[in-house]
Amino acid sequence: DAGVTQSPTHLIKTRGQQVTLRCSPKSGHDTVSWYQQALGQGPQFIFQYYEEEERQRGNFPDRFSGHQFPNYSSELNVNALLLGDSALYLCASSFSGTNQPQHFGDGTRLSIL
Amino acid sequence: AQSVTQLDSQVPVFEEAPVELRCNYSSSVSVYLFWYVQYPNQGLQLLLKYLSGSTLVKGINGFEAEFNKSQTSFHLRKPSVHISDTAEYFCAVTRSGAGSYQLTFGKGTKLSVIP
Repeated sequence: DAGVTQSPTHLIKTRGQQVTLRCSPKSGHDTVSWYQQALGQGPQFIFQYYEEEERQRGNFPDRFSGHQFPNYSSELNVNALLLGDSALYLCASSFSGTNQPQHFGDGTRLSIL
Repeated sequence: AQSVTQLDSQVPVFEEAPVELRCNYSSSVSVYLFWYVQYPNQGLQLLLKYLSGSTLVKGINGFEAEFNKSQTSFHLRKPSVHISDTAEYFCAVTRSGAGSYQLTFGKGTKLSVIP
């Protein structure tokens, strides 16, 4: 049973560019959440997708957007990249309607030059 | 809104010694509490969770935590640590209830086990 998978594992971009990160949830999960983890910090919630809609959003600008597909996989898009967007981006999946915890992938390390 | 404070950013401890990693939370609603571990260059792995019931929760790898509602704490303990326990540990909180809600994390505690 595959867990949460994220791609790519590493990515290098320059300021002003756009990036797309991808996530496949754990089998049986229908909810995907994205978190940003800056160096030396705990993860910060970006947003959550359920039934192909953004259900919750954290304190992140509109440059951060997402999408969920009918197969429950998800994308995180970041436009107009800033140096401060350099971080580990974590995807977590869960099954809505239960109290079961979120399962995390290994993340995508994004570096902005 | 919820918040989490992890009181120690770094904890060095000798191998086979006991360890306690401290976590306090703040919330105006009922919460669920979690401890996650992060090994270098990896994502987060769930150690244990408190949803309801017994306030003493046992997790994987010999870890346990105690929920104390009056002190709003959820400290993580292990009676005897191993070198392999060296990692960063995150306490997290979410509102209780059916469904999946956003996790709010602390800043983490780096546990270093000294041979």
